[in-house]
Amino acid sequence: DIQMTQSPSSLSASVGDRVTITCRATQGISNYLAWFQQKPGKAPKSLIFAASSLQSGVPSKFSGSGSGTDFTLTISNLQPEDFATYYCQQYNTYPYTFGQGTKLEIK
Amino acid sequence: EAQLVESGGGLVQPGGSLRLSCSTSGFTFYSYAIHWVRQAPGKGLEYLSAISGNGGSTYYADSLKGRCTISRDNSKNTLYLQMSSLRAEDTAVYYCVKGRGISFYYSGMDVWGQGTTVTVSS
Repeated sequence: DIQMTQSPSSLSASVGDRVTITCRATQGISNYLAWFQQKPGKAPKSLIFAASSLQSGVPSKFSGSGSGTDFTLTISNLQPEDFATYYCQQYNTYPYTFGQGTKLEIK
Repeated sequence: EAQLVESGGGLVQPGGSLRLSCSTSGFTFYSYAIHWVRQAPGKGLEYLSAISGNGGSTYYADSLKGRCTISRDNSKNTLYLQMSSLRAEDTAVYYCVKGRGISFYYSGMDVWGQGTTVTVSS
């Protein structure tokens, strides 16, 4: 199975900051990489697909990049509603696998 | 707007069975694969199963293989996950998720349901 490792596992930041979360795959997955946001008690929400394509309705403050094994999610101008847990997922090879999550907290 | 609503969760004894349903609206159901993902309490996301838009192809994670059957009724815009021989480690919130294409290969997923909670305990 392809393992997805996110770093950091947790992150503290302030309103207005820009943050980057990294996701690394144990083997190449081309650009078959998605990012999801999950708030406590809620279902995940799609942010990015195909490594860098923004899901409809998601603000452009979210951006993704990468290909192969290394990917990043960048969130600019953090607002209170952005503090959540973020997951990457590869959909290149079954079983599809998720990263362990990155919890973004307010500093 | 695509919407998915899960139901059928609840408390079940170890070794018991349960059928989860995922009722959908707002999109052409038969044109999209549907996936199941679960989340154990306080844990991350685990990919479970998928079915193609026409129901002809299915996938099961090893953790479910032999214990679950995914199916869909395209006349009712509804997806099902029949689970049996349930264990304590199956306790989780179960989400159905709309795929981005008719096949579940290389197409990812976009819209999530709100989830239904399954608790396996005596």
